[in-house]
Amino acid sequence: QKEVEQNSGPLSVPEGAIASLNCTYSDRGSQSFFWYRQYSGKSPELIMFIYSNGDKEDGRFTAQLNKASQYVSLLIRDSQPSDSATYLCAFNTGKLIFGQGTTLQVKP
Amino acid sequence: NAGVMQNPRHLVRRRGQEARLRCSPMKGHSHVYWYRQLPEEGLKFMVYLQKENIIDESGMPKERFSAEFPKEGPSILRIQQVVRGDSAAYFCASSPQDDSTGELFFGEGSRLTVL
Repeated sequence: QKEVEQNSGPLSVPEGAIASLNCTYSDRGSQSFFWYRQYSGKSPELIMFIYSNGDKEDGRFTAQLNKASQYVSLLIRDSQPSDSATYLCAFNTGKLIFGQGTTLQVKP
Repeated sequence: NAGVMQNPRHLVRRRGQEARLRCSPMKGHSHVYWYRQLPEEGLKFMVYLQKENIIDESGMPKERFSAEFPKEGPSILRIQQVVRGDSAAYFCASSPQDDSTGELFFGEGSRLTVL
């Protein structure tokens, strides 16, 4: 079983819509979870991290964590073409373990 | 305030040659991580180092790969006798010693092509 599972996509949404990205993880002991964005040919950059069950909002981004279900998601409201990238979720076990990433395409 | 610096950004090697990738962490950071990313795949953990110590090398291939982070100078990831399957982007990341969040700051990566 993979440690972090993400749908590779591509996930295609129209501009202005809500994009929903999902991630499941296997380590019940994990305490912190991260969403990174990676543009093609570039390095990953942190969007959000979350520790507690529930929602955490930052601008157009909302991270949701459900530890009982071992599930973390990222919602992007009012999606823009500039949001088109690969989104990587990760959890911390003393090092960050990444999923394979979901490619998001926002169409004008 | 410089970020994580990696060089070279691009490296071409022929099969059997050696590749050396260097990483200078952000100022004030003492933890260095190396990740490998194959085309169209996610980041795979390789090794976690602190100054003069390898903390976790569970992701390193058993042969040909080694890493160090000396007291002075950058961290180095060394690949001996490269093969075509080593072609990938190698990312270095760093974090501060007292950081409890687990956030990593990534360099721009070194892209290795093996001919």
